[in-house]
Amino acid sequence: QKEVEQNSGPLSVPEGAIASLNCTYSDRGSQSFFWYRQYSGKSPELIMSIYSNGDKEDGRFTAQLNKASQYVSLLIRDSQPSDSATYLCAVILVNSGYALNFGKGTSLLVTP
Amino acid sequence: IAGITQAPTSQILAAGRRMTLRCTQDMRHNAMYWYRQDLGLGLRLIHYSNTAGTTGKGEVPDGYSVSRANTDDFPLTLASAVPSQTSVYFCASAPESNQPQHFGDGTRLSIL
Repeated sequence: QKEVEQNSGPLSVPEGAIASLNCTYSDRGSQSFFWYRQYSGKSPELIMSIYSNGDKEDGRFTAQLNKASQYVSLLIRDSQPSDSATYLCAVILVNSGYALNFGKGTSLLVTP
Repeated sequence: IAGITQAPTSQILAAGRRMTLRCTQDMRHNAMYWYRQDLGLGLRLIHYSNTAGTTGKGEVPDGYSVSRANTDDFPLTLASAVPSQTSVYFCASAPESNQPQHFGDGTRLSIL
């Protein structure tokens, strides 16, 4: 079982809707959590980081962290076709020497 | 140079040949990383370096070697390339090992 799990999708949402992307992780000691966006043929781009329980908002993006449930999510409000990409959840796992472990990513398609 | 530069952008290589992928960053980041990304398997860590002069093995280190002689450069060497090393290779860096990583544009490598 991979240490960071995401649904592969594709997740399809209409333009203007809220997209909800989810991620679970196995290491209870993890302290740092990140969301990356990757367009096809491009490199991953950091869009959010979160370190403490609760919500963190940045523009149309909100990251949510629940350490007790080992769950981190990303909400995208007012989704746009340009948000269509693969979203990668990444967790620094303490039991892996502070290496960044990635989920396999969720493909998001925003339809006009 | 701004950020992380990887070279070459793409390469086709005969099996058995030696190949070095170059990675240079100008942000004075202490930590640097090499990942490979394969369809269905996501991003997997090959090797990492938390500071100049030190390196460590990631999830899939076999067949690869790295060196970190200075802060800016982190080359990845395939001593004798095999077809299973066909992949997209990303270099990344972070200020410190527990902080968000930023990625280069990647090298697409095909081993025939």
